[in-house]
Amino acid sequence: AQSVTQLDSQVPVFEEAPVELRCNYSSSVSVYLFWYVQYPNQGLQLLLKYLSGSTLVESINGFEAEFNKSQTSFHLRKPSVHISDTAEYFCAVRGTSYGKLTFGQGTILTVHP
Amino acid sequence: DTAVSQTPKYLVTQMGNDKSIKCEQNLGHDTMYWYKQDSKKFLKIMFSYNNKELIINETVPNRFSPKSPDKAHLNLHINSLELGDSAVYFCASSQDVRRDSYTRDHNEQFFGPGTRLTVL
Repeated sequence: AQSVTQLDSQVPVFEEAPVELRCNYSSSVSVYLFWYVQYPNQGLQLLLKYLSGSTLVESINGFEAEFNKSQTSFHLRKPSVHISDTAEYFCAVRGTSYGKLTFGQGTILTVHP
Repeated sequence: DTAVSQTPKYLVTQMGNDKSIKCEQNLGHDTMYWYKQDSKKFLKIMFSYNNKELIINETVPNRFSPKSPDKAHLNLHINSLELGDSAVYFCASSQDVRRDSYTRDHNEQFFGPGTRLTVL
């Protein structure tokens, strides 16, 4: 079984500031890790994922996340946020063999002008 | 062009009623899911179907019954609705991990826009 903890329920930041959304997980097996984003009144969209290889993964809109096995973390970062990044972000994990996704409780990122 | 669609988007109903939420995907995926997002925003899987066969059934009251008439549809029927059923329900789909070895390790799930169910 896996579990995911997102340490911050809300993160307010100003535009162009850096941001880090924290995610820790626990699992007894090897895992794949995901970040999903949910814009207001929309469904979830995959932002980025770690499957294997380089522990640093990037999205097309400037987000990156680093898989840290020793700290069981997969924190999401962006060096300079935009107003349009305002959304809720969900960290998720699943076992490397077929299995269900387990989600964290979400972090609401609010970017202020 | 919507990949995963759900109807209705909003559903308001009285306790004790029976209601259904429909989900359709046009991605050609073999696996579909239902998730429940409660008032605290926790997202938890309820069911998963692969090629119309139930493969994941979490601890969900048997008032909830998924129905998959074909692999492009996974509907959720709820009997005797209770206040605690109020939530946002998300449908999702993914490629069959057992058949497509390229995406076996990827299994990206595509989500619908959600159905907000309010039980009064």
